[in-house]
Parts: sequence; structure tokens; C-alpha cells
Amino acid sequence: AQSVSQHNHHVILSEAASLELGCNYSYGGTVNLFWYVQYPGQHLQLLLKYFSGDPLVKGIKGFEAEFIKSKFSFNLRKPSVQWSDTAEYFCAVRGNSGNTPLVFGKGTRLSVIA
Amino acid sequence: EPEVTQTPSHQVTQMGQEVILRCVPISNHLYFYWYRQILGQKVEFLVSFYNNEISEKSEIFDDQFSVERPDGSNFTLKIRSTKLEDSAMYFCASSVPRQGSGELFFGEGSRLTVL
Repeated sequence: AQSVSQHNHHVILSEAASLELGCNYSYGGTVNLFWYVQYPGQHLQLLLKYFSGDPLVKGIKGFEAEFIKSKFSFNLRKPSVQWSDTAEYFCAVRGNSGNTPLVFGKGTRLSVIA
Repeated sequence: EPEVTQTPSHQVTQMGQEVILRCVPISNHLYFYWYRQILGQKVEFLVSFYNNEISEKSEIFDDQFSVERPDGSNFTLKIRSTKLEDSAMYFCASSVPRQGSGELFFGEGSRLTVL
């Protein structure tokens, strides 16, 4: 069965600090990987996704993530966070065959303070 | 930009009552999903729906739950007899099927509170 682990429950950063949120997954096959963001009071929005090819993927708002197959990881990074990045971040994985369900991690709450 | 819409945004109900949550997926999408998020916990898959039938469901999706696409636009989740533990945010999503890689587009969620 698929599973996703996000080790950081709550991260607090000052503006302009660098961000890295960890994500590890467990799945016995080829996967597609996603990071979703949920701003306060809003719906889940896709930040970025990895299907194949270059393991370093760039998303919206300056976010990027690196797929390291040997570590089963897909960590999210941003060099300099802004107050507006305050949100809940969810890593998700789905198998690359058929239409398997998207499985989410527990989420990491990011609080950016001025 | 097309989006998934959900109603109601918040529903309060008494334990044992039936609840129907409604979703209008993006018009050219063919796969539909319901997820839920209990407060403080992760987003959990409930069910996926394609071609007017359930394609996959989780252990959470027991006989209390049902889904329906009654017309060409709505996709509903029914909970027959709500329990306290059904209190959660319920998210609808839709996707255009690509081989295992379709992005899911989510609605804003319907918060269900069972008293």
C-alpha cells in the first residue's frame, strides 16, 4: 500500500529564510509525485508535480522539489520564503498505472513571520 | 479559469441524519473523487468515480456512504446516517485521465459538523 510521510508537523520561519520540507513515500512501483498547498480558508492547489524526466521540478511561486528515487524522497524547497507562503503543504503520491488514488501525507504547516 | 465548486460550504447536522454534499466538477473532466480531512489529520481518499460507477474506494467508504452523478454536472456524496466521527472537511476533486498521472483539481471543501 502507498504511504507518504511528512516529518515536519509545523515549521516556523522568518521572511527571507530558506525552506525545505521533507517528504518520503512508500510504494512498490513507478510513482507520480505532487505537492499541494492549502492557504488559510482556501482549497488545495497544485504547487508542482513530477511524472518523469528531470528529477528537479520547478513549480509556481518559486517552489521546487527534487525527486531522489534511491531515498524515496520528494522534498520541497524555496530559497527565500515570504509571509504570503504561510499555508499548509501536502505531499502526495500516486502509482503510475491506471487511475490509482492520490495518497496524501499529513501535511506540514508553515508559518512565516515578519 | 475552470474550477471545482462544492456546496454547502458548511453544514451542521444531528447524529443519525442524512447528509448530501454536492460538487460540480470541471466540465470536461471524466474522473471524480471525494476526499476527507478530519481536523488536524491528513487528507484521506474516500472514493473515485468514472463512467457512472465507482472505480475505487477506501476502507473508510463503507455502506453509510454512496456517490452519484444524477445529471451531467453534479457529483454527490451521501452519508446515510451520520456519526460524530464523520465530522470533517470533505473535498471533491476531478481530473482528466492520463495514464496514472492526471492532476487532481480540488474544490474548496464542505465542512460537515455532526452534533
